[in-house]
Amino acid sequence: DGGITQSPKYLFRKEGQNVTLSCEQNLNHDAMYWYRQDPGQGLRLIYYSQIVNDFQKGDIAEGYSVSREKKESFPLTVTSAQKNPTAFYLCASRLLGIQETQYFGPGTRLLVL
Amino acid sequence: AQSVTQLGSHVSVSEGALVLLRCNYSSSVPPYLFWYVQYPNQGLQLLLKYTTGATLVKGINGFEAEFKKSETSFHLTKPSAHMSDAAEYFCAVSSSGYSTLTFGKGTMLLVSP
Repeated sequence: DGGITQSPKYLFRKEGQNVTLSCEQNLNHDAMYWYRQDPGQGLRLIYYSQIVNDFQKGDIAEGYSVSREKKESFPLTVTSAQKNPTAFYLCASRLLGIQETQYFGPGTRLLVL
Repeated sequence: AQSVTQLGSHVSVSEGALVLLRCNYSSSVPPYLFWYVQYPNQGLQLLLKYTTGATLVKGINGFEAEFKKSETSFHLTKPSAHMSDAAEYFCAVSSSGYSTLTFGKGTMLLVSP
């Protein structure tokens, strides 16, 4: 069954702690994306990657880090430098090609204790 | 830079009534435009997209949208609302050389019996 999986569904972070959100896809997509969603704010791009071992900052990259060691995986780390991490995080992927569609995973909700 | 404006954070309709969700965009290049739907605590699902060709685009679940270049608009319509249409809807425009998307802030569609 092809798709994008995100884990965990809910994640709790203590103050000063780094946490890592997982995103895996078996669609053989080239590009992967991380978005943050806050109520009334739409989706804001954190990081994206179009090829293994390369990634670009989006609009709100501060306090986040990523890696792309494998084509199918694009984990996002929320560092302690991110002062307001409570949000819904969405991962997406697509084939390269300007008309290609982004497909989304089910999301991870991060809460701060 | 690209941007998307969705007029109305909430739209209420009665079941069976016309649905009209408004989207205006700005883009420095020929735009590719997308509408996504999001149900509570889920990822985004593509409804329809415009890239090139016919300006009236039909999507899933009876939705359609018309690209109007002169008005820089891409409004989403459905002739008859169903209770299952209640969700949040996002309009997006391609950006960064067509490698990323810029999203509007979303419109919550409420359907009453």
